[in-house]
Amino acid sequence: GENVEQHPSTLSVQEGDSAVIKCTYSDSASNYFPWYKQELGKGPQLIIDIRSNVGEKKDQRIAVTLNKTAKHFSLHITETQPEDSAVYFCAASNDKVIFGPGTSLSVIP
Amino acid sequence: NAGVTQTPKFRVLKTGQSMTLLCAQDMNHEYMYWYRQDPGMGLRLIHYSVGEGTTAKGEVPDGYNVSRLKKQNFLLGLESAAPSQTSVYFCASSYPGPSYEQYFGPGTRLTVT
Repeated sequence: GENVEQHPSTLSVQEGDSAVIKCTYSDSASNYFPWYKQELGKGPQLIIDIRSNVGEKKDQRIAVTLNKTAKHFSLHITETQPEDSAVYFCAASNDKVIFGPGTSLSVIP
Repeated sequence: NAGVTQTPKFRVLKTGQSMTLLCAQDMNHEYMYWYRQDPGMGLRLIHYSVGEGTTAKGEVPDGYNVSRLKKQNFLLGLESAAPSQTSVYFCASSYPGPSYEQYFGPGTRLTVT
């Protein structure tokens, strides 16, 4: 079945710096790759997603890139702010969504 | 529009007890899911439903049962709770399928002693 790996597991950056989280997946049939942000005590919330026919997608300070050949995709957050501190999950989907183990991001003011 | 709600928010069970977690959504979504979240393991799919009256197994279904008698509700049951079922449980829904945004509830923290 599908397996999604995510690195790093924890990440600390200074406010204003960029943060990058990388994921790999195993099922070449996966065609949908969402990223979720989970704040403390809350459920995950979608922040950006990308489909297999697109290589890159950007939404303000957040961007996602996808390399289908290498089966990896990445989340880029620029100009980080303290409110970006949260746990981020990548996922890959064909008929089911499989989540990565998560990255705890801390933005230090 | 409440989105996805979960009842209860917290629960403590003794080993062997049973309970039911309730998930409700008011977005008319066809697909509903139950996940468990454990430290360092992300979200793992327990069971899911593709519509009223349907259920299917996910990655970790053992020890759990589900029912979807009404489109807006998805129930997760533990017949005989075990300490290994201590976790945070999340319900989610999506439309029109799994490869679209999932909307999550706030979670239920369950402790089995």
